Amino acid sequence: GDSVTQMEGPVTLSEEAFLTINCTYTATGYPSLFWYVQYPGEGLQLLLKATKADDKGSNKGFEATYRKETTSFHLEKGSVQVSDSAVYFCALGNRDDKIIFGKGTRLHILP
Amino acid sequence: DTEVTQTPKHLVMGMTNKKSLKCEQHMGHRAMYWYKQKAKKPPELMFVYSYEKLSINESVPSRFSPECPNSSLLNLHLHALQPEDSALYLCASSQDVGGAGYTFGSGTRLTVV
Repeated sequence: GDSVTQMEGPVTLSEEAFLTINCTYTATGYPSLFWYVQYPGEGLQLLLKATKADDKGSNKGFEATYRKETTSFHLEKGSVQVSDSAVYFCALGNRDDKIIFGKGTRLHILP
Repeated sequence: DTEVTQTPKHLVMGMTNKKSLKCEQHMGHRAMYWYKQKAKKPPELMFVYSYEKLSINESVPSRFSPECPNSSLLNLHLHALQPEDSALYLCASSQDVGGAGYTFGSGTRLTVV
């Protein structure tokens, strides 16, 4: 079945460092891909999405490109801030009315 | 209005209690979802409603009973829960089913004692 694999955390970086969180997927057909962010004590927020190959989603300085050839959707940000500390979930949406989440990556940014 | 509103934010209930979680959206979304999230885990899908009809039940125990009174409201009725049912319960909605991306509420943190 469809699945999402993302790098294990926690990831700890210093402020202004470059961030990459790896995500790969397995799916039949052409899923939509998402990154969600969850701040402590809150629900999930859609951070960015891409609906077809080579699309780039971007928001708040974060970017991810839908790579069909490598079945990847890695999240990147050029300069992280303390306020980016959260849990990040990579996810895919298929035709079965479901969104399938990866296990989540906890990000800690040190001042 | 671009939000999904869940009430209550916190709920403590005994194993013999009956309670309900509520979810509301006014974005005209036609699909609504209940998810359960345990600590440090991803959300797990429980139910999907499409056009006010239950379309997916992920083999959820009958002590959880969903209800969709209209296209803007989604309830989750709880009865005879177990301590292991303690979790964050998230409601979400989307324009339509099929992976368009969800808008999540901030959740109800449920503790069963």
